[in-house]
Amino acid sequence: NAGVTQTPKFRILKIGQSMTLQCTQDMNHNYMYWYRQDPGMGLKLIYYSVGAGITDKGEVPNGYNVSRSTTEDFPLRLELAAPSQTSVYFCASSYSVRGYNEQFFGPGTRLTVL
Amino acid sequence: AQTVTQSQPEMSVQEAETVTLSCTYDTSESDYYLFWYKQPPSRQMILVIRQEAYKQQNATENRFSVNFQKAAKSFSLKISDSQLGDAAMYFCAYRSARGAQKLVFGQGTRLTINP
Repeated sequence: NAGVTQTPKFRILKIGQSMTLQCTQDMNHNYMYWYRQDPGMGLKLIYYSVGAGITDKGEVPNGYNVSRSTTEDFPLRLELAAPSQTSVYFCASSYSVRGYNEQFFGPGTRLTVL
Repeated sequence: AQTVTQSQPEMSVQEAETVTLSCTYDTSESDYYLFWYKQPPSRQMILVIRQEAYKQQNATENRFSVNFQKAAKSFSLKISDSQLGDAAMYFCAYRSARGAQKLVFGQGTRLTINP
C-alpha cells in the first residue's frame, strides 16, 4: 500500500508556463483534495472531489483546474503560472463513509515560479 | 465559513517539560471534528490527535492530550514530557461532520524543544 503519492517532488517554473501536478491514491478513497501551503502558513483548500467525475472549488481555486476521471487519480493543472503560486502543494484522500475518516496526505510538491 | 486561529506563532519548551499550544475556532455548527497535525521538516502531515465535538471527554494519545472547551470554542494541545522529536510545526484543524470532510487549518505554531 503506497498510500497517497505525488509527483514531482520539486519543480521550478517560469512565469507563464503550465504544468500538471500528479496525485494517485491506492486506498480506494472516494474523497480527494488539493491544498496549498504558503511559507509559514497553514494549508488552504484549492479543489476537492467526492468521486470520479465530480469536482468542486475550495477556498483558493483561482489559477488552477482539476479533473477526476478515475477513483485513483486527481491531477491539479496550473495554467499560466504566476509567482503567487509559489507554494507547497499537498494532495490528500479519505473515505466517504459517514462519521470520522482520517484524511491521508501525500508528501507534497514544492513549486517555485520565477 | 469556519475559521481556525492559532495565536502563538512560536513556542519553546525544555526537554521533558510540558507545553500547551492554543487554538480557537469559529463555527455555527454543533457537530464537527477537531484535529492537531504535526509537520516536521520532512513536510509530511502527521495526525497527532482528534476530538469529536459531541464527546465531552477530552482525547488523549500517550503524551498528547487536548483541552476541548466547546462553549468557548477552544481546543488546546498539551504535550507532556517533551522530547526532541516533538520539534515541528503544529496545526490545528476543523472539519464539519457534514459534507465533503474538508479541513480548515490554523496558521500553525512552531514548537522548539531545548535540550
